[in-house]
Amino acid sequence: AQTVTQSQPEMSVQEAETVTLSCTYDTSESNYYLFWYKQPPSRQMILVIRQEAYKQQNATENRFSVNFQKAAKSFSLKISDSQLGDTAMYFCAFMMKTSYDKVIFGPGTSLSVIP
Amino acid sequence: GAVVSQHPSRVICKSGTSVKIECRSLDFQATTMFWYRQFPKQSLMLMATSNEGSKATYEQGVEKDKFLINHASLTLSTLTVTSAHPEDSSFYICSANPGLAGETQYFGPGTRLLVL
Repeated sequence: AQTVTQSQPEMSVQEAETVTLSCTYDTSESNYYLFWYKQPPSRQMILVIRQEAYKQQNATENRFSVNFQKAAKSFSLKISDSQLGDTAMYFCAFMMKTSYDKVIFGPGTSLSVIP
Repeated sequence: GAVVSQHPSRVICKSGTSVKIECRSLDFQATTMFWYRQFPKQSLMLMATSNEGSKATYEQGVEKDKFLINHASLTLSTLTVTSAHPEDSSFYICSANPGLAGETQYFGPGTRLLVL
C-alpha cells in the first residue's frame, strides 16, 4: 500500500522569503503522479503543482517548484517570495497512473506567512 | 478548469435524522467520484469511491449502511448519512475525476455537517 508522510506539522516563513515543505512517500510502483494541494481557511482544495514520476525534470508553477527525488521517494515543495495568501494547509498527495485510482494524502503541513 | 459543486455547503440536523449531500461535476462527466471526510486540522480521509452505474467501493472501517452512496449519473453522486449522530459531525468533501490519464481530481468546496 502507498503511504505519504509529511514530517513538518507546522511551519512559518517571513513574507517574501523562501520556504520548503518536505514530503516522502512509499510505493512499489514505478508509474505514478505526485501532487501538492493547498487548503486555505475556506477549505477549498486547490492544486498547486503536479509531477509525473517518469519525468525527471522538476515541475514548476510560477513561485512554486518541486524537488523530486524518485530514488529517495522524496517530493518537496519550494515556495519562493512567500505571500500572505500562501498561508494554508499544504497536503502532499500520491496517485497511481491509472486515472481512476484514488489519491492518497499526507497528514499536511500548516504554513503561516508572517508579515 | 473543471468545476465541482457540493450542496448544501453546511447543514445542521438532529440526531437520528438522515442527511443527503450532493456532488456535481458541472462541466465534465465523471465516471468516478470520491468522498472524503476531514476532521479539524487533519488530512482528508477517503471514505469511498463512487462509480457511475455500480456499487460504491468503501474503504476499510467505513460503514456502508451508514454512508449510502449513489452515483446516478455521470455528473451526480450523493452521500446520505443515515441516522446521523454527533460523532458524524465533520467536513465532507467530494472530488471527481474527468477520466483522462494523469488528470488529477477536482474537488468540491465541501459540506460542513453538524449533528446536534
